[in-house]
This record gives sequence, structure tokens and C-alpha cells, in this order.
Amino acid sequence: GQQLNQSPQSMFIQEGEDVSMNCTSSSIFNTWLWYKQDPGEGPVLLIALYKAGELTSNGRLTAQFGITRKDSFLNISASIPSDVGIYFCAGPGTGFQKLVFGTGTRLLVSP
Amino acid sequence: DGGITQSPKYLFRKEGQNVTLSCEQNLNHDAMYWYRQDPGQGLRLIYYSQIVNDFQKGDIAEGYSVSREKKESFPLTVTSAQKNPTAFYLCASSTGGTGANVLTFGAGSRLTVL
Repeated sequence: GQQLNQSPQSMFIQEGEDVSMNCTSSSIFNTWLWYKQDPGEGPVLLIALYKAGELTSNGRLTAQFGITRKDSFLNISASIPSDVGIYFCAGPGTGFQKLVFGTGTRLLVSP
Repeated sequence: DGGITQSPKYLFRKEGQNVTLSCEQNLNHDAMYWYRQDPGQGLRLIYYSQIVNDFQKGDIAEGYSVSREKKESFPLTVTSAQKNPTAFYLCASSTGGTGANVLTFGAGSRLTVL
């Protein structure tokens, strides 16, 4: 089946640093979604991408839809402690309205 | 405010017992989903429902059952047949229209089997 590989698996950074993470797919996607999950909570949508090459920002977050349509990138600038959590990429799965999720990137931010 | 409510937040169960997790949404969404989350893994789809009185198996449906008698409600039963039920369970919904891959999630229910 479809797989999404995220890297890195985890990151431990200092407050104020910039963060980059990516997601690659074994197949072409027409939508990329980035979610953040706070500890013990459900994921919350950060950014949705619908077009190859698209670059979209949401505050300090910027995500890009890769030209090949098989990858996507998420950058966080000037990280703060509340950025801690797990970041998931997601794309359309096989079949109607199904999403497939990556394994997540766990971010820890030291004050 | 519109959203998805899952209950209970934490649940303990003895082996051999069935348990039902509640999921209610007031977003007027047609589609609803149940995902399972284990440490170090992505979210895996258990069941989904595109419309009332209809539901489909996801990737890991064995040992689970669902019902969709009302648009707002999509309860999940974890049966004694589920070999490893301890996990974090997430309910989600979407509008169900074209391009409606964007899911809204509840806060999750953590099930622990003793």
C-alpha cells in the first residue's frame, strides 16, 4: 500500500532555531496536508497544499508541495517551546476520502 | 463552537471485555473515521463512514466494530477479539464533498487493557 516516510523521526533543538522536516511518498499525491499533534491530543491541521510547487505559510510555518508531487517540506522559523509536538504529513489514500499518514516527526524545544 | 467530542478520555479494561468509545460531532460533516495511534507509528485507519447507515473497513478493522445510526455519532467498539487493544484512538470527520480530504480530529481516547 501507499507509504509516507517522514524525516527526521525526532529533533531536539534550542528555542529560536529554525526547523526543517520532510515527507516523501512512493506515489504521486495531488494534496499534501501537515498536522501537528500536541501531547495527549488529536492532530490539528496546520497547512494544506493542493498544487505542485505551491509554497504556503501560516505564521512561522511554511510548507511546500514538491515539484515531483512525491514530497513535501515543512519549515518552522524561530521555534518556541509551544512548538513541541509531533508533526504529521498526510495525503490522499486509495479510495474515497481516505488519508494516509506519515510516521511523524517528534519535535522537542529547549527553552 | 463546532467540533468533535470523544469520550471517555481514558479507559481501562480487563482482558476479554468489550468496550465502546464514543464520538460525536456537531460540524454537520457527512464522513467520519476512526484511527488508531501507537507509539512511533502513524495513524492507521480502522473504519470509516461516508454517510449515515453505511460504513467500510479500513486497514486494521479486525477486532473492531462500528455503527452509524445518526449523522452526528460514530461509536467504536473494541471487542475481545482485538489482540492488542491498548492504544490511543482518534475519531475524525470531513465534509464528504469533492476534495474533502481535510480531516478534523477529536482529542482522542486512550484505552489501556490490564
